Amino acid sequence: GAGVSQSPRYKVAKRGQDVALRCDPISGHVSLFWYQQALGQGPEFLTYFQNEAQLDKSGLPSDRFFAERPEGSVSTLKIQRTQQEDSAVYLCASSLQGRTRGDTQYFGPGTRLTVL
Amino acid sequence: QKEVEQNSGPLSVPEGAIASLNCTYSDRVSQSFFWYRQYSGKSPELIMSIYSNGDKEDGRFTAQLNKASQYVSLLIRDSQPSDSATYLCAVSGGGADGLTFGKGTHLIIQP
Repeated sequence: GAGVSQSPRYKVAKRGQDVALRCDPISGHVSLFWYQQALGQGPEFLTYFQNEAQLDKSGLPSDRFFAERPEGSVSTLKIQRTQQEDSAVYLCASSLQGRTRGDTQYFGPGTRLTVL
Repeated sequence: QKEVEQNSGPLSVPEGAIASLNCTYSDRVSQSFFWYRQYSGKSPELIMSIYSNGDKEDGRFTAQLNKASQYVSLLIRDSQPSDSATYLCAVSGGGADGLTFGKGTHLIIQP
């Protein structure tokens, strides 16, 4: 079946603009994760959803970052008043189970955000 | 704060040799351990997962876990140029919480 998809693949924003990044998880996957990957670094956890419930948002770097998954499927990560330090690749991952040890996370292709 | 440490490399290995990648982690309650491969400009792809002490083999790949030493490694046998990539070590605690990744080791297989 289809994997995790993300859109747009590339986004250029002027400093101060709001952006919205979309993630379509694998159909039927309960868990959805957002990560931020800066150049030359490993991905860093941002937030986690189990169905429509946001169970962990401890990794969101500031209150300018907001994520939702209203129907338990598609998720949107919104960044308000973008700053240059927000430039990174934003990865979405999904896994089949909820709160199951070691459940495999499958990653989407990512959205590369560049803030000028 | 959970930390995962990897040597960033680059690690250069001749084609056909064994590549050995290492990772240490700080959180003793970590239960699940993963190796992801990431080609430049691409997303991470799961190579191996391991949950119990010892070795786990899958084709040319062997993951090794030592929870007492808080150490996990990945061996790649008969290295191929297509194995050249960044290898990310990732760790999680109990439950489907977010993964904590290392910075990755850049592996180069020399033809």
